[in-house]
Amino acid sequence: GAGVSQSPSNKVTEKGKDVELRCDPISGHTALYWYRQSLGQGLEFLIYFQGNSAPDKSGLPSDRFSAERTGGSVSTLTIQRTQQEDSAVYLCASSSMGQGGNEQFFGPGTRLTVL
Amino acid sequence: EDQVTQSPEALRLQEGESSSLNCSYTVSGLRGLFWYRQDPGKGPEFLFTLYSAGEEKEKERLKATLTKKESFLHITAPKPEDSATYLCAVQDFYGGATNKLIFGTGTLLAVQP
Repeated sequence: GAGVSQSPSNKVTEKGKDVELRCDPISGHTALYWYRQSLGQGLEFLIYFQGNSAPDKSGLPSDRFSAERTGGSVSTLTIQRTQQEDSAVYLCASSSMGQGGNEQFFGPGTRLTVL
Repeated sequence: EDQVTQSPEALRLQEGESSSLNCSYTVSGLRGLFWYRQDPGKGPEFLFTLYSAGEEKEKERLKATLTKKESFLHITAPKPEDSATYLCAVQDFYGGATNKLIFGTGTLLAVQP
């Protein structure tokens, strides 16, 4: 299919380790988003990339979180020195730019468990 | 501050028993209101976008409506395969170029045969 893909699907790590999560957006989509879904909470915006513009990092919870997008396509979300409160499902979404509200299409997510 | 509240948190229906889910929102200016369906272990699946009060959209047994303060997702004669968590989200016109979605916590729907 031509949907958003994410890897790995599951990641178990020890507290203090670094992790990298990957997102492949839908081909041709210029906008890419990362969200976090914690148990019992709504999806929480983390970061936004649009073309060659500077990313909107306003949702990143701490400086341990960073993300990059190479070549306007694949994105990697990195969490350094993981903590137990980082355990959540990390979702990536992409959209094409247009007028008004535009639909975001989500990947299956990466379930991160920090022991 | 932009806010989205969904009710009820959970809803159990018998197959064929119609009902509605509510999404109340507060935004500076509504750019769009979105409904998603999420199955366990999967990412949200897009259902509808609504842009202005009075707008309605339908898809199979689902119909979404919008007022200036809330949206309803009406489910007519549901089937067990409609069981899922339904998420509502808004985009704020004054949220800048980001177009980030602000989500509610969802309604968990269970349809029993």
